[in-house]
Amino acid sequence: AQSVAQPEDQVNVAEGNPLTVKCTYSVSGNPYLFWYVQYPNRGLQFLLKYITGDNLVKGSYGFEAEFNKSQTSFHLKKPSALVSDSALYFCAVRDPFVDTGTASKLTFGTGTRLQVTL
Amino acid sequence: GAGVSQSPRYKVAKRGQDVALRCDPISGHVSLFWYQQALGQGPEFLTYFQNEAQLDKSGLPSDRFFAERPEGSVSTLKIQRTQQEDSAVYLCASSYSGRAQETQYFGPGTRLLVL
Repeated sequence: AQSVAQPEDQVNVAEGNPLTVKCTYSVSGNPYLFWYVQYPNRGLQFLLKYITGDNLVKGSYGFEAEFNKSQTSFHLKKPSALVSDSALYFCAVRDPFVDTGTASKLTFGTGTRLQVTL
Repeated sequence: GAGVSQSPRYKVAKRGQDVALRCDPISGHVSLFWYQQALGQGPEFLTYFQNEAQLDKSGLPSDRFFAERPEGSVSTLKIQRTQQEDSAVYLCASSYSGRAQETQYFGPGTRLLVL
């Protein structure tokens, strides 16, 4: 079964500093990986995804993530954090062997709260 | 264009009441997903439709939960005889065709509180 772990409940960083939000995964084959952000009382907003190809994926709002197959990780990064980046971040994985146009649910981690302070 | 919309945004129900939650997916999106997000947790899969066909309902927690999408667009998640443990945010998502590499786009959710 596929699973995702986000080992940090909260990450604190000062504005202007780089940030990293960690994610590790477990799937039977090569994974499809996603990052979403959730602001209070709002749904999940898509940030970026890794499907295949270049291990460094660039997404919305200056975020990027690096796929590392040997470490089964997909950490989210941003070179310079903003106070407005403060939110709840979710990593998710999808089983690529279900790519038949049928069931393709996402399995989410428990989320990491990012707090960016001045 | 418009994103995924859900209604109501908030619902308070007394234990034992039936509730119905609505999802309007992005126009033209074939696939529709329902997730349940308990407080402090990540979303968990409930069920999946491709057009009007419910292809996976393995995540529905009990037979009190029922979902439908009769015309392949709008979907309704119904919870019968609500219990306090049903309190959660219910998220709907849609994607263009449902292939694994596609992005799922989420609605704002319906926050259900069962008293």
